[in-house]
Amino acid sequence: GQQLNQSPQSMFIQEGEDVSMNCTSSSIFNTWLWYKQDPGEGPVLLIALYKAGELTSNGRLTAQFGITRKDSFLNISASIPSDVGIYFCAGGSQGNLIFGKGTKLSVKP
Amino acid sequence: EAQVTQNPRYLITVTGKKLTVTCSQNMNHEYMSWYRQDPGLGLRQIYYSMNVEVTDKGDVPEGYKVSRKEKRNFPLILESPSPNQTSLYFCASALMGGLSNQPQHFGDGTRLSIL
Repeated sequence: GQQLNQSPQSMFIQEGEDVSMNCTSSSIFNTWLWYKQDPGEGPVLLIALYKAGELTSNGRLTAQFGITRKDSFLNISASIPSDVGIYFCAGGSQGNLIFGKGTKLSVKP
Repeated sequence: EAQVTQNPRYLITVTGKKLTVTCSQNMNHEYMSWYRQDPGLGLRQIYYSMNVEVTDKGDVPEGYKVSRKEKRNFPLILESPSPNQTSLYFCASALMGGLSNQPQHFGDGTRLSIL
C-alpha cells in the first residue's frame, strides 16, 4: 500500500530554535495535512494543503505542498516549550488518508 | 461545542467476545473514519465512510466491521476480537471526503486491551 516517510523520527529543541520536518512518498497525493498530538489526546489539525506548490502559515507554523505532490514540509519558527509533542503528516487521495509515523519533539535537557 | 465523541474510552476484554466502539459527531459531517494507533506504526486507517450507507476499507480492515446507517454515527465492530487488536483507536470526521479531503476532527481515543 501507500507509505509515507516522515523525518526526523525525533528531535530535541531548545526554546527559540527553528524546527523543520518533512514527509515524502512514492505516491501522489491530492491533499497534505499536518497534525499535532499531545499525550492522551487525539491529533489536532495544524495546517491543511490542497494544491501543489501551496505554502500556508498558521502563526509560527509554515507548511508547503511539494510541486511533485509527493512531499511536504512543516517548519516551526522560534519554538516554545508547548511545541513539544508528536507531529504527523498525512497524505490524502479520495477518502483514504495515509499517516506518517510521526516526529517527536522534545525539549533539550 | 463541535466534537467527535467515542465510547468507551477504555475497555479490557477477552478474546472472542464481540464488542462495539461507538462514534458520534455533532457537526453534520459527511465523512467519518476509524484509525488505530500503535507504537512505531503511527495511525493506520481501518475503514472510512464518505456518506450514509457508503463505507470503504482503509489500510487495515481485517477483523473489523463498520456501519453508517445515519450521518452522525459510525460504530466500529469487532465480531471476534483477538489480542493483536489491542490498540488505541481514533474516530474522525470531516465536512466531506473525496478529492478535497477536508480537515478531520478527531475524537479523544479508545484504548482497547484484548486478553
